[in-house]
Amino acid sequence: GAGVSQSPSNKVTEKGKDVELRCDPISGHTALYWYRQSLGQGLEFLIYFQGNSAPDKSGLPSDRFSAERTGGSVSTLTIQRTQQEDSAVYLCASSTYGVGLANDTQYFGPGTRLTVL
Amino acid sequence: AQSVAQPEDQVNVAEGNPLTVKCTYSVSGNPYLFWYVQYPNRGLQFLLKYITGDNLVKGSYGFEAEFNKSQTSFHLKKPSALVSDSALYFCAVSRFSGGYNKLIFGAGTRLAVHP
Repeated sequence: GAGVSQSPSNKVTEKGKDVELRCDPISGHTALYWYRQSLGQGLEFLIYFQGNSAPDKSGLPSDRFSAERTGGSVSTLTIQRTQQEDSAVYLCASSTYGVGLANDTQYFGPGTRLTVL
Repeated sequence: AQSVAQPEDQVNVAEGNPLTVKCTYSVSGNPYLFWYVQYPNRGLQFLLKYITGDNLVKGSYGFEAEFNKSQTSFHLKKPSALVSDSALYFCAVSRFSGGYNKLIFGAGTRLAVHP
């Protein structure tokens, strides 16, 4: 179990409901990132964690989106009052350091496909 | 501002032929460049990266990429394509901003290898 894991792999929800997406990074990785990939689109950065703090939340599209990380490990991305435009694949990545090291490589999980009906 | 361009939405190659997926970048200072591959319904897999040193970088699955500073390019190559190489390929540049290295991704290029 060396890779990044995400759950659930698929989530179908009704408009207006809240959803939680989970990411388990590679053990020992300090940095954790969330991205969104909409159909036919590239990767959109959402948020970055260094340990349990989030120095960069600049990509969160609205205040309906929030994320936390506990114990320097698992992270949860929460979307409140989901809208149809939130439908996308949500990808999580982790890296060893994040801070200041240019050769730090991000390793991605398989993603959670969110469908809002 | 740092950016990455992948000028081709799709590349079609016959199996056994060499393949090239193009990437150009715009950064200030020394670039740190990455290639990732995404197979259907999967996350991104790291292929290779250029940080410094030899301009020809070798990566996973027989892929390599050539860093060309004068042309600001980092094209992905493989001498002999396989049908199983068909996937979505992303080029990325690392930008140091806000105290950490942030990856800026290109729009992606879909590679289709035909038997």
